[in-house]
Formats: sequence, structure tokens, C-alpha cells
Amino acid sequence: DTAVSQTPKYLVTQMGNDKSIKCEQNLGHDTMYWYKQDSKKFLKIMFSYNNKELIINETVPNRFSPKSPDKAHLNLHINSLELGDSAVYFCASSPSGGRPSGANVLTFGAGSRLTVL
Amino acid sequence: TQLLEQSPQFLSIQEGENLTVYCNSSSVFSSLQWYRQEPGEGPVLLVTVVTGGEVKKLKRLTFQFGDARKDSSLHITAAQPGDTGLYLCAGTYSGAGSYQLTFGKGTKLSVIP
Repeated sequence: DTAVSQTPKYLVTQMGNDKSIKCEQNLGHDTMYWYKQDSKKFLKIMFSYNNKELIINETVPNRFSPKSPDKAHLNLHINSLELGDSAVYFCASSPSGGRPSGANVLTFGAGSRLTVL
Repeated sequence: TQLLEQSPQFLSIQEGENLTVYCNSSSVFSSLQWYRQEPGEGPVLLVTVVTGGEVKKLKRLTFQFGDARKDSSLHITAAQPGDTGLYLCAGTYSGAGSYQLTFGKGTKLSVIP
């Protein structure tokens, strides 16, 4: 039973299209995240939600819009896709983003590889 | 934005050799984590270190957090092909809550049989 599951695993699409990636966690965690990993494997946080509330919104184009219908789901919608959006997008969750030091342990999904042609 | 520098970026060694990977920052971290990522998968937590000078062992892997909590190292003894992967350090820095982990750029390790 996968703890953090994302769909789809692979997504190939044309420039200008709109696409969504879905994420669900069954760990009962309060906080969920979206990270982007580029071709050089650098993991950069995009968004974080705590109990359906946005708490981190890094410098990400507003073509990216996260949506959290409940605390077990955090979906990522991308409008007007560009070539530079090609990357692997990882969803993650943690028990709580609010406690200090070692409590913030992330469980990652397997990633969604987006290729924009 | 806090920066974590990892070195080396790439490491290719023979099975049975020892190796050390480093993670450094100019900032003090309240905690630091090491993850391993295999191709086609997400990162998986190996260890969390919290106290300056702390040493943790996980089978052949030894993790150390620097006294000043600005650096960490991962030492692998007698590397095996199964150790191959991308090793990422990630820190939570003091004074900014713990909502956000900052990741290093990773060390890609290849262990050749």
C-alpha cells in the first residue's frame, strides 16, 4: 500500500497545454509538499500545505496552482506549459511542518516526469 | 535562501572501498537529514541528526553532524553495488520554523562490482 502516490508517473505534452498531477497520502500527515527536481537532480521546494492551508509558496510562476481539497490530497495544476517546465515533480508529506528540528521528516512519492515538447 | 554544498558531486568507486560524502553550509541548522534516491524513485530518509557532534550508524553507513551544526558527513564502509544512488543532505535552519527543508544538490555514487 503506497504511502504517497502520484499520478501520472510520466506525462508528455505539447507547449501551451494545461496539465495536472495528482498526489494522495495515506499516512495521516498534516503537511504536503510539491518539489521540482531538474535535470541536474536539484530538488527545490515549490509549495507546502498544512491542513489544506498554503504555508509556503516559493518563487514559482503563477501558471502553477496547487489545490488541496483535503489534507490527504495535494494536486498541482500547470497552465500554458513551457519547455522549461520539463522536470520530475515530487509530492511529499510530513507529520507536521510546524514543529522544530527533527520532526520534519518527509516521505516522498515516486515522482512524475513531465516532458514538454 | 540558505545554501547547502555537497561534495563530491560525482563519485565512482570499486566494491569494497570506503568513501565519505560531505555537506556544508554557512548557516547553523537545527537539524539535518540524509536521503538516498534511486533512479525512478523519490528520496528515502536515511537518518536525521539534531545535536552538534552527534554520530549515528546505520549498518555500514556512519553519519556525523558537525559540532557547530553547519556541516555533516556520511561515511560508507566497504561499499556495495546496492549503495549506488543519489545521496542528498537536507537541512532545517534555525529561526525559520521547520516548514521547509533545504536540499543540497546531491552526490551521485556509483559502486562498481
